[in-house]
Amino acid sequence: DGGITQSPKYLFRKEGQNVTLSCEQNLNHDAMYWYRQDPGQGLRLIYYSQIVNDFQKGDIAEGYSVSREKKESFPLTVTSAQKNPTAFYLCASSIFAGSSYEQYFGPGTRLTVT
Amino acid sequence: DAKTTQPPSMDCAEGRAANLPCNHSTISGNEYVYWYRQIHSQGPQYIIHGLKNNETNEMASLIITEDRKSSTLILPHATLRDTAVYYCIVRANAGNNRKLIWGLGTSLAVNP
Repeated sequence: DGGITQSPKYLFRKEGQNVTLSCEQNLNHDAMYWYRQDPGQGLRLIYYSQIVNDFQKGDIAEGYSVSREKKESFPLTVTSAQKNPTAFYLCASSIFAGSSYEQYFGPGTRLTVT
Repeated sequence: DAKTTQPPSMDCAEGRAANLPCNHSTISGNEYVYWYRQIHSQGPQYIIHGLKNNETNEMASLIITEDRKSSTLILPHATLRDTAVYYCIVRANAGNNRKLIWGLGTSLAVNP
């Protein structure tokens, strides 16, 4: 089955620790995205990548870092500098070319930092 | 990207059509209308998108007004599994910025 996988589904960390969220896609999509969702809110873009070894900050990149060493993978690190890291994190991908840019989403990782 | 306005919540009886409105009065000529939905605690799911003409697929129909300032997503025969938050988003498909700007959406409750 083609799709996007995120692991783990639930993640618990102590304050002050860095944590890396995994995102893998086998859709052969060029572009990948990380969003954050807080309760009752819409999605906010953290980082996106349109091609391997290149990525851009989204609207709320502070306290986060990413890498894109392979087309299939776009891990997100939540650093200790992120002031309020507890949230639902969603990874997405989309095909780069053409007129249709619908994004396909993974199941999400719910991060709780205490 | 243009902003959208959606009602915060709607109800629909199972088996009936669900009509979800969206206002996007500042939409530009090159901006598409996209609809996604998010079932509780899952990732959003793409439903449909369109530019000017009405569109239909296996999930829904999208009706865009002639002036493109509003649109309606139609789920023809709503089921309990259609209970979700529905997001209307407008964005251009050209250029380097392929970001989607997400609002709060409409929470649709399909009742038995």
